[in-house]
Amino acid sequence: EAGVAQSPRYKIIEKRQSVAFWCNPISGHATLYWYQQILGQGPKLLIQFQNNGVVDDSQLPKDRFSAERLKGVDSTLKIQPAKLEDSAVYLCASSSFAGAGELFFGEGSRLTVL
Amino acid sequence: RKEVEQDPGPFNVPEGATVAFNCTYSNSASQSFFWYRQDCRKEPKLLMSVYSSGNEDGRFTAQLNRASQYISLLIRDSKLSDSATYLCVVARGRTNAGKSTFGDGTTLTVKP
Repeated sequence: EAGVAQSPRYKIIEKRQSVAFWCNPISGHATLYWYQQILGQGPKLLIQFQNNGVVDDSQLPKDRFSAERLKGVDSTLKIQPAKLEDSAVYLCASSSFAGAGELFFGEGSRLTVL
Repeated sequence: RKEVEQDPGPFNVPEGATVAFNCTYSNSASQSFFWYRQDCRKEPKLLMSVYSSGNEDGRFTAQLNRASQYISLLIRDSKLSDSATYLCVVARGRTNAGKSTFGDGTTLTVKP
């Protein structure tokens, strides 16, 4: 079974530029999450989708971050404009609706903002 | 106060040692609890779920104390391959890992 796919793996941009990350969850998984993990910290939830609807985006900085999951499958997370403090690994995870609670993570997209 | 708190360590132990990690959570409505393992520069992976009755998987034992809002992970007979960061996770949904909150992790290094 294919795992969660993410791209790009690495991205370096200058502050005020924009960047987009893509995620394809495990086939059949209804729930998709974007987490931000800053070095030395645990993952922090940015947004959670159930199919193509948003369940929780309370910690998403909406003035610069946006995310969509138009067809209830893959998802895109965008940052515009980027700030130095956005340097982090952006992890996408998915889980099955009736699952026992396990989150399956992709390898992450490592962003460096200069 | 953070919703999930862990002792960051690092814990440096010799092979064969027994080591215990603790985690506390602040939201009494939390319903599901997990330990994840994260290797350096890798993604987190589920290690085990935590139940009120406690559960054991080989050398690993997890315990939950709802009254004290406290979770623990015990690793017996540590191996070099156990070196990693252990993340405590607390979720408010019973199914589909709804609204999971991660601690900042406890780093373990097992030395020969």
